[in-house]
Amino acid sequence: ETGVTQSPTHLIKTRGQQVTLRCSSQSGHNTVSWYQQALGQGPQFIFQYYREEENGRGNFPPRFSGLQFPNYSSELNVNALELDDSALYLCASSLAKGGAYEQYFGPGTRLTVT
Amino acid sequence: GESVGLHLPTLSVQEGDNSIINCAYSNSASDYFIWYKQESGKGPQFIIDIRSNMDKRQGQRVTVLLNKTVKHLSLQIAATQPGDSAVYFCAENSGGSNYKLTFGKGTLLTVNP
Repeated sequence: ETGVTQSPTHLIKTRGQQVTLRCSSQSGHNTVSWYQQALGQGPQFIFQYYREEENGRGNFPPRFSGLQFPNYSSELNVNALELDDSALYLCASSLAKGGAYEQYFGPGTRLTVT
Repeated sequence: GESVGLHLPTLSVQEGDNSIINCAYSNSASDYFIWYKQESGKGPQFIIDIRSNMDKRQGQRVTVLLNKTVKHLSLQIAATQPGDSAVYFCAENSGGSNYKLTFGKGTLLTVNP
């Protein structure tokens, strides 16, 4: 177990709705990254937060947004859900910002958009 | 564009054999590579990493080899066990202050008893 937790485990939403996913990072880790993993694909980077500020962003539209809190937990918000947003959403925590450090993944939230 | 790809999408081995999973990367600026194992219904699990100033690194039953000349990465698993059955991903960091990991599509390893 990595110590990274995510909630909820599964979620079903309707197209056009909004969703909030939550992540608690491993103790002592100040950086959280979010990834989207479509079925049969590798994870795709959404964005990273370091000490409550966005540190970088992948090729995702603005309706994907995030927050990091003083305790380093994080939220991923997706507005105006589309069918293609159906995926496993993973968060990963690490001790320092950037990609060149061990990132420990949570179990993911499976989002289904109907 | 930048990409990380795998030569073999599936690999089937007998229990006790050694397994080799390969990965090609295209960004010569990448300076950090990680192998992850992902079991069904779980998040990726860190296996081993290697930085570009090394060409080999060993862990418990696993070895990662990095060939920067041909931009190739491999994961060797010794004495493969049924519990090793999973999808294996290689991921790269493209160097400097780059903030993200780029993942390949994965290789499904099946270990037959």
